[in-house]
Amino acid sequence: AQKVTQAQTEISVVEKEDVTLDCVYETRDTTYYLFWYKQPPSGELVFLIRRNSFDEQNEISGRYSWNFQKSTSSFNFTITASQVVDSAVYFCALTSGGYQKVTFGTGTKLQVIP
Amino acid sequence: GAVVSQHPSRVICKSGTSVKIECRSLDFQATTMFWYRQFPKKSLMLMATSNEGSKATYEQGVEKDKFLINHASLTLSTLTVTSAHPEDSSFYICSVSGGRGDQPQHFGDGTRLSIL
Repeated sequence: AQKVTQAQTEISVVEKEDVTLDCVYETRDTTYYLFWYKQPPSGELVFLIRRNSFDEQNEISGRYSWNFQKSTSSFNFTITASQVVDSAVYFCALTSGGYQKVTFGTGTKLQVIP
Repeated sequence: GAVVSQHPSRVICKSGTSVKIECRSLDFQATTMFWYRQFPKKSLMLMATSNEGSKATYEQGVEKDKFLINHASLTLSTLTVTSAHPEDSSFYICSVSGGRGDQPQHFGDGTRLSIL
């Protein structure tokens, strides 16, 4: 069975603060893929990043960075110098076993206050 | 990545009406599409996997006679909510994936269904 846990339901930060969104996953497969998606208030889901289970290299893209640690089964997402446009619900997700079915976390709602 | 168009974006209709939602893959031939339902402030719940040319695979607890899925071509899947009732009101989202789990899902913009 697969599971993705996002323990933080809602986070509020003041603009320009850094914020980390936590994601912990469970899977029995050795090959799996982790994703982060952003859902702004308008509703559409936007793909942010993908990581495969064999690549623990952290990644930075502008103000976004991701920390993947297999030892703790975590795939955390950090936004530095947050902006109001970052306000959204962020979902961590998992696929494994060569299947397309996605297991989503419950999402973390981020509110960036100007 | 795949571009996915979902239509309509919003539907308001009376109880008992059947509503059809279309999901089109504009630049990718999708043998598989997914339909999700999202309640307010909740995560996405997978309803069914839509398979081109064959029957959809429904998740446990999803009524297949209530939520009819048709995937007649490689670019179009439809979800019909039959005899809709207020409890069917929700945000419905379709997605397309280009790979076998290794590729991200590309989502339609969603359909907000409100049954009066």
